[in-house]
Amino acid sequence: GENVEQHPSTLSVQEGDSAVIKCTYSDSASNYFPWYKQELGKRPQLIIDIRSNVGEKKDQRIAVTLNKTAKHFSLHITETQPEDSAVYFCAARANYGQNFVFGPGTRLSVLP
Amino acid sequence: DTEVTQTPKHLVMGMTNKKSLKCEQHMGHRAMYWYKQKAKKPPELMFVYSYEKLSINESVPSRFSPECPNSSLLNLHLHALQPEDSALYLCASSQEVRTGGNTIYFGEGSWLTVV
Repeated sequence: GENVEQHPSTLSVQEGDSAVIKCTYSDSASNYFPWYKQELGKRPQLIIDIRSNVGEKKDQRIAVTLNKTAKHFSLHITETQPEDSAVYFCAARANYGQNFVFGPGTRLSVLP
Repeated sequence: DTEVTQTPKHLVMGMTNKKSLKCEQHMGHRAMYWYKQKAKKPPELMFVYSYEKLSINESVPSRFSPECPNSSLLNLHLHALQPEDSALYLCASSQEVRTGGNTIYFGEGSWLTVV
């Protein structure tokens, strides 16, 4: 089955700097890769996703890149703000009813 | 704001109690999910309903019993739980299970404490 690894487990950046979180997956059949942000005591919220027919996707300060050959995808946050502080989970999913497999999460702290 | 609504938000129950968690979505989604999340861990899949039928049971103990009365509602019946079952229980929904790429949307969750 699918296995998703995520690095780093914790990340501290200064406000205004960029943050990058990387995930690798094992199942070459996976074709959908969402990223979720979970603030303390809250539910996971989708922030961006990418499908396997796309190499990069941007939404304001957030971007995701996908390298299908190497089976890894990354979340990029530019101009970080204190409200970006949260746990970020990547996930991978293949077709035909297979479940989302989540990475172990990255705790991002943006220092003012 | 979330369109997946869960009740109750907090629940404390004894090990001999019977309680239920409830979930409702009005997005017309045909797949609904129960996840369990422990502190500092990712969500862990428990059950998936597709078109109101149980399609996946991730080897969950029988003290957890899911029910899908209709395409908008999902319940999780709890009986004889253990303290280690204390966790955040997340309901989620997506358009359908079989088509790859459909995003899942989480509810706010129900914080369960078993004493």
